[in-house]
Amino acid sequence: QQQVKQSPQSLIVQKGGISIINCAYENTAFDYFPWYQQFPGKGPALLIAIRPDVSEKKEGRFTISFNKSAKQFSLHIMDSQPGDSATYFCAGSGSARQLTFGSGTQLTVLP
Amino acid sequence: DSGVTQTPKHLITATGQRVTLRCSPRSGDLSVYWYQQSLDQGLQFLIQYYNGEERAKGNILERFSAQQFPDLHSELNLSSLELGDSALYFCASSVIQGGYTFGSGTRLTVV
Repeated sequence: QQQVKQSPQSLIVQKGGISIINCAYENTAFDYFPWYQQFPGKGPALLIAIRPDVSEKKEGRFTISFNKSAKQFSLHIMDSQPGDSATYFCAGSGSARQLTFGSGTQLTVLP
Repeated sequence: DSGVTQTPKHLITATGQRVTLRCSPRSGDLSVYWYQQSLDQGLQFLIQYYNGEERAKGNILERFSAQQFPDLHSELNLSSLELGDSALYFCASSVIQGGYTFGSGTRLTVV
């Protein structure tokens, strides 16, 4: 199973700052790239997703930037809040719809 | 509540034993996916069912099996359990071409 590489492993940001998490994928057959947010004791929850025909997608404070030629995509969280403290996973999937996840980023937003 | 129901929430069992994890998908979702989340392997796809039929297999051990019943609920059977099988097991459901919704998971501890 081809990998999705995610960085950084952990991230500490001040309240109001910008959080940036990066992912790189190998499988060019991937056509759907979601980001999931997971709180302790909960299942991953879909945050935002993008398809490769679009270079950017914004939903509220969350933005995905997508670079198809570099096979990279990133999540930007604007005006980060303590409530955003969670683990974030990027993923990719193809026609089979099974997700290949990155290793996760533990985000801590300091008050 | 995501609409995907997993039972039990916690399970403690001994090595060599067999357990069954249950998942009820969101109403209307025909696809069910099983994922394993462990500290060393991250989130790994195990198996997918669509409307009662197996659609895709991932990193699922031969000791593990699953099925989806006519009412669309699914069960994941884990046998000959080993210490290394201790993990969170998530079920997710989706409509075809849609995003996933994960349940809250079953935490399995093998002692």
